[in-house]
Parts: sequence; structure tokens; C-alpha cells
Amino acid sequence: AQSVTQLGSHVSVSEGALVLLRCNYSSSVPPYLFWYVQYPNQGLQLLLKYTSAATLVKGINGFEAEFKKSETSFHLTKPSAHMSDAAEYFCAVFKILTGGGNKLTFGTGTQLKVEL
Amino acid sequence: DTEVTQTPKHLVMGMTNKKSLKCEQHMGHRAMYWYKQKAKKPPELMFVYSYEKLSINESVPSRFSPECPNSSLLNLHLHALQPEDSALYLCASSQGEDRASDTIYFGEGSWLTVV
Repeated sequence: AQSVTQLGSHVSVSEGALVLLRCNYSSSVPPYLFWYVQYPNQGLQLLLKYTSAATLVKGINGFEAEFKKSETSFHLTKPSAHMSDAAEYFCAVFKILTGGGNKLTFGTGTQLKVEL
Repeated sequence: DTEVTQTPKHLVMGMTNKKSLKCEQHMGHRAMYWYKQKAKKPPELMFVYSYEKLSINESVPSRFSPECPNSSLLNLHLHALQPEDSALYLCASSQGEDRASDTIYFGEGSWLTVV
């Protein structure tokens, strides 16, 4: 079964510093991978997704992620952190369901803290 | 407009109560979903509706009963819940296409507390 592992349940960076959130996947075939963000007491918002069209994916709010098959990784980065980036970030693998609809299986999440 | 609207935002119910969570989308999506998110945990899929028919039930206890009255609405009926069912319940929708371009959009969630 396809799954994702997020390394580091908590990451703390200074404002203006590089953000790196790690996600590794486990799959025998190239997966479809997503990053979602969840701000406190809110639902999930899609940041970006990899669907095999391009290995470097740009998302919203200045985030991007690079799919590396050799490393089975899809790490999320942002060159310069902002206080407003403080949130929970989830990596997810996407599965097409034969009965209709699709399924996201999420990693355990990484809480990003941004300090002054 | 990529909005999925959920009501109520907060619900407190006793273990003998019957209540419902409601979800609405006007994006013309044909697939709708219920996810459950416990505190400090990732969301987990509960149900999938495709073209108003239940296509997936992830072994959810029968005290949770989903309903899809039409393509825009999704309900989750709650009865005889347990305190451990307290969680954030997230509704989501997507075009329902069987390809990775099918983005799943989430609502803000309904916070449920069972007392």
C-alpha cells in the first residue's frame, strides 16, 4: 500500500530563514503526492501537488516541492519563512478509487513554528 | 469559487442524542467525502460518495450514518456516539475524476464534542 512518512513532527525556523519540511513516500509505482496546510482551527488547504508532469512543483504562498524518485522524497521548501506560515503541514498520497472518487492518505504532519 | 461549507462549526452532544453535520458545495463536484481528524492526528477517510451513491465506507461504525440528498449536499447523521468520537469532522469534494488532477477541496470542519 502506498504511504508517506513525514520526518520531524515539529520544525522551528526563524523568520526569513529557509523552510524545509520532509516527506518520503513508499510506493512501487510513482505516486501522486500532495502537500496540504492546516492553520489553527481550520480545514485543509492545498499547497501543491505532483502528478508526474514536472518534478519541481510550485505552489501557493511561495512554497515549492521537488519529486526525487532516487530518494523517494517530496520535500516542501520555502526560501524565506514568514510568521504567517506557522501551521500544520501534511504530505499525502493520492489513490484513485475504483468505485468512484479518490482517497488521500496523510502523513502524520509537521508543525511549523516561525520565530522572530 | 472553491468553497465547501460545513455547519455547524461546533457541536456538543450527549451520548444519547441524535444530531447531524451538514456540508454543501456549489462547484459541480460529483464526489464528496467525510474525513475524521482527532486532535494532533492526520485526517482519516470515513466515507466517499460518487454521483450521490456511497462508494466507500472505511469500516466506520454504524453510529455514523452518511447521506447524500443531492449532488451538492452531504450529511453525516450521528447517533449514540461515544466520547472517543470527539474530533474534527471534515467534509471535502472533488470532480470525482479518476486521475490525479482531481483536486480534493476541504471545508473548515465541524468540531464535535461528545459528553
